[in-house]
Amino acid sequence: GENVEQHPSTLSVQEGDSAVIKCTYSDSASNYFPWYKQELGKRPQLIIDIRSNVGEKKDQRIAVTLNKTAKHFSLHITETQPEDSAVYFCAASPNFGNEKLTFGTGTRLTIIP
Amino acid sequence: NAGVTQTPKFQVLKTGQSMTLQCAQDMNHEYMSWYRQDPGMGLRLIHYSVGAGITDQGEVPNGYNVSRSTTEDFPLRLLSAAPSQTSVYFCASGGLGYNEQFFGPGTRLTVL
Repeated sequence: GENVEQHPSTLSVQEGDSAVIKCTYSDSASNYFPWYKQELGKRPQLIIDIRSNVGEKKDQRIAVTLNKTAKHFSLHITETQPEDSAVYFCAASPNFGNEKLTFGTGTRLTIIP
Repeated sequence: NAGVTQTPKFQVLKTGQSMTLQCAQDMNHEYMSWYRQDPGMGLRLIHYSVGAGITDQGEVPNGYNVSRSTTEDFPLRLLSAAPSQTSVYFCASGGLGYNEQFFGPGTRLTVL
């Protein structure tokens, strides 16, 4: 089955700086890569996703890049704000969408004011 | 719309007891799934369903059963609770394909 590795496990960034979280996947058939944000004590929520036929996708301060050859994808958050503090999870699926997602182990991002 | 709802929010069981975690959604989503979340291990898929009458195993199915008799409901049954099943359980639903999964609020389960 699919295996997703996520790094780093913790990340502290000064407010206003950029944050980058990286994930690698094992199954070359994977074609859908969502990112979820989970605030303390809350449920995970989708923040951005990318399909395998796209190399990059951007939504305001958040962007995701995908390198299919290297089997890795990354989340980029620019101009970080205190409300960006949360745990971020990457995920991958080979089933043409959200079916049977495999999640990474999470990155705890702390924004330092 | 209530979205995805889960009951109970908290539960304490003794080893060997059985129970059912309830999950319901009112968005007419075909896809529903159950995850468990343990510290440092992310979200691991237990079981999932692509429609009423269809279920399949995820990454960690042992000790759990599911059924999907309606589109709206997807209960998770613990047959004989073990301390290793202490975790936070999330139910999620979404349309099939490249669609967002919406998570429920979670159930915190402790097995003594």
